Amino acid sequence: GAGVSQTPSNKVTEKGKYVELRCDPISGHTALYWYRQSLGQGPEFLIYFQGTGAADDSGLPNDRFFAVRPEGSVSTLKIQRTERGDSAVYLCASSQAGGSSYEQYFGPGTRLTVT
Amino acid sequence: QKEVEQDPGPLSVPEGAIVSLNCTYSNSAFQYFMWYRQYSRKGPELLMYTYSSGNKEDGRFTAQVDKSSKYISLFIRDSQPSDSATYLCATRTGANSKLTFGKGITLSVRP
Repeated sequence: GAGVSQTPSNKVTEKGKYVELRCDPISGHTALYWYRQSLGQGPEFLIYFQGTGAADDSGLPNDRFFAVRPEGSVSTLKIQRTERGDSAVYLCASSQAGGSSYEQYFGPGTRLTVT
Repeated sequence: QKEVEQDPGPLSVPEGAIVSLNCTYSNSAFQYFMWYRQYSRKGPELLMYTYSSGNKEDGRFTAQVDKSSKYISLFIRDSQPSDSATYLCATRTGANSKLTFGKGITLSVRP
C-alpha cells in the first residue's frame, strides 16, 4: 500500500517568507507526527496529532511554527517569517493507534532551504 | 546533556565484519527502544523494536537493551555493502508518544 507522502520534496524560500509543508499519512492511521532533522543530527520532535487535535506540541520551537490536521488525515506544517536557522529536513510520520507495536512510519521528508 | 547519546562516527568496516552500534539514555521513563536505518535523502525506516530489557534477533540483526545500565545496542552480523546507511537509535516513553533520537552514526561497509 501507499506509504506516507510529503510535498513538496524540496522548498527554497527567502528569509521572512511564509511556507506550508504537507503530509499525507498512511490511510487509517490516526496518529501523525512532525519531526525536524538538521544536517548531521537525528530527527527532533515538533508536534503530535491524535485525530484532529494536537496531543503534544511541546517540540514547536516558537510561535512562528503552527500545524493543523482539520479532518484527521492530511496535515500541514506552517512556518511564518522563515529564518535561515529553519533550514532542515521536515519529516512526517504516522502510526496506527491500537496496533501491536505503534510503529511510526516516516515519509521521505521535505528539504527546506531558507536563503 | 542530551536524553539519548549515540557513539560518534563515521564507521567503516570490511564486508563480512560484525558491527556493533551503541547508545545510552538518561530518562528512566523510556520503555520502548528502536533502531532506524536511514539512507541518504530518505526517511528513517524501522529496523528493530524492543519493549523493555532483553534481546531481539531478526536475521543478521540483533538488538539488545539493558535498562539497568541504560544501554542500547545493535549488532549486525556478516555486514554487507547494502547495510551502508545512517543508523539511528530511538526511544519513547509510551505507545503513542514522541520518539527521542540519538544523533545517528553513518556506517560504510567496504566490498
